[in-house]
Amino acid sequence: DQQVKQNSPSLSVQEGRISILNCDYTNSMFDYFLWYKKYPAEGPTFLISISSIKDKNEDGRFTVFLNKSAKHLSLHIVPSQPGDSAVYFCAAIFTGTASKLTFGTGTRLQVTL
Amino acid sequence: NAGVTQTPKFQVLKTGQSMTLQCAQDMNHNSMYWYRQDPGMGLRLIYYSASEGTTDKGEVPNGYNVSRLNKREFSLRLESAAPSQTSVYFCAISRSHGTTNEKLFFGSGTQLSVL
Repeated sequence: DQQVKQNSPSLSVQEGRISILNCDYTNSMFDYFLWYKKYPAEGPTFLISISSIKDKNEDGRFTVFLNKSAKHLSLHIVPSQPGDSAVYFCAAIFTGTASKLTFGTGTRLQVTL
Repeated sequence: NAGVTQTPKFQVLKTGQSMTLQCAQDMNHNSMYWYRQDPGMGLRLIYYSASEGTTDKGEVPNGYNVSRLNKREFSLRLESAAPSQTSVYFCAISRSHGTTNEKLFFGSGTQLSVL
C-alpha cells in the first residue's frame, strides 16, 4: 500500500530549463509534505517543505506546489543546474500524532549540459 | 550529513551472522530513526525512538532489534542476517517526532550485503 507515489523513476532535463518532479498521495490525513535530495553514497538532505494550509512555498530556485483536492504535489527547479542531478524523494506526514514520515520511491533527475 | 555518524560504512555478512549498526548524533535531537533503502521501494522505516527510553516499530521491523543507548546513540541489530536484508541502511534524527519539526537529518548510510 504505497501511500506516497512518485510515478516517474527518472527525468532528464537540459541545464537552464525547468525540472518538474511530481508526487501523488492517497492519505487525505497528510498535512505536511517535504522534499529530500540524495546524492550517491550520501544520506538524503532536506530540501523544502509545505504545510497543507498553503498551496505554494518557494526557496530560491526551488518551489513546491500543493494541490490538496488532487492529492498532488510537485517540485519545480528553475533554472536547473548540473549540481541538481540527484534522486529526489517526496515525503508526507500527519502531524501531531505518533505517525511517521512516509516516503515516495524517488525520482532520479539528470541535468544535462 | 554533519551531526549523524553511522558505522560501519560497508559490511558483508554471511547468512545467519549477526551484526550491529551504530548511529550517534551530536545535535541534541530527541528522535532517532533507522531506515532502509531498496531499489524501487524508497525509504522504509524499520524502527524509531521518539525520545530517550522509548522505541517503536516502523513499517518493516521483522528481523531487526534496536537499542536507544542514550540520547546520542541508537543501534540497529541483525540477529541472524538474511539475503533479504541486503540494503542501504540510514540512521536519521529529528528535533521532535510527529510535528512540523519532522525534518530529518540523515547519516551517510551503511551498505550491507548478506550473502
